Amino acid sequence: GAVVSQHPSWVICKSGTSVKIECRSLDFQATTMFWYRQFPKQSLMLMATSNEGSKATYEQGVEKDKFLINHASLTLSTLTVTSAHPEDSSFYICSAREVFGTDTQYFGPGTRLTVL
Amino acid sequence: AQSVTQLGSHVSVSEGALVLLRCNYSSSVPPYLFWYVQYPNQGLQLLLKYTTGATLVKGINGFEAEFKKSETSFHLTKPSAHMSDAAEYFCAVSHGSGNTGKLIFGQGTTLQVKP
Repeated sequence: GAVVSQHPSWVICKSGTSVKIECRSLDFQATTMFWYRQFPKQSLMLMATSNEGSKATYEQGVEKDKFLINHASLTLSTLTVTSAHPEDSSFYICSAREVFGTDTQYFGPGTRLTVL
Repeated sequence: AQSVTQLGSHVSVSEGALVLLRCNYSSSVPPYLFWYVQYPNQGLQLLLKYTTGATLVKGINGFEAEFKKSETSFHLTKPSAHMSDAAEYFCAVSHGSGNTGKLIFGQGTTLQVKP
């Protein structure tokens, strides 16, 4: 149980294009999902909190117009990197928060974004 | 504000030896504490968690951790290291039930297991 998937697992795009990453909770409902960014050999940096049916809450320093988050259902959140640039290249990881029980976050396998 | 400190960015042990990964936290409220493991190019897998109750928590793959409030610590141990344990380990803290659910991660510790 408690499986989270991400799609795609890796993507290469040209500078200036937009890329959408999907995060799905497969066997549980998640009213809250989180999006993280991880640079090589570093820890996870929380980008935003995604709440189903409402606007995402962004961490300080994260451009909400560049990183669009939509959480349209209890099992799906999407992160769109708009007008991507090489500096946006990174490993993006989502997590879904288990509503019942102990508020545990379950993580997706991550998406490797490379912007050329 | 909450924070997590993992002492030692790199730990190396021999196969079969004790694994000890250190984690200290600061929190103004009773915390929930977590250990996650990350293998290369993968997401994070939950090893174990402490919420309330028994302070010695057992997780998957033979790992366990003990919550020590007086020491504000949540160190991760395993009696005998296996080659497959080589990975990145993250300690994390959250406020606990009823909060936003945000996790604060430590810097991570790379565990190397030598044959």
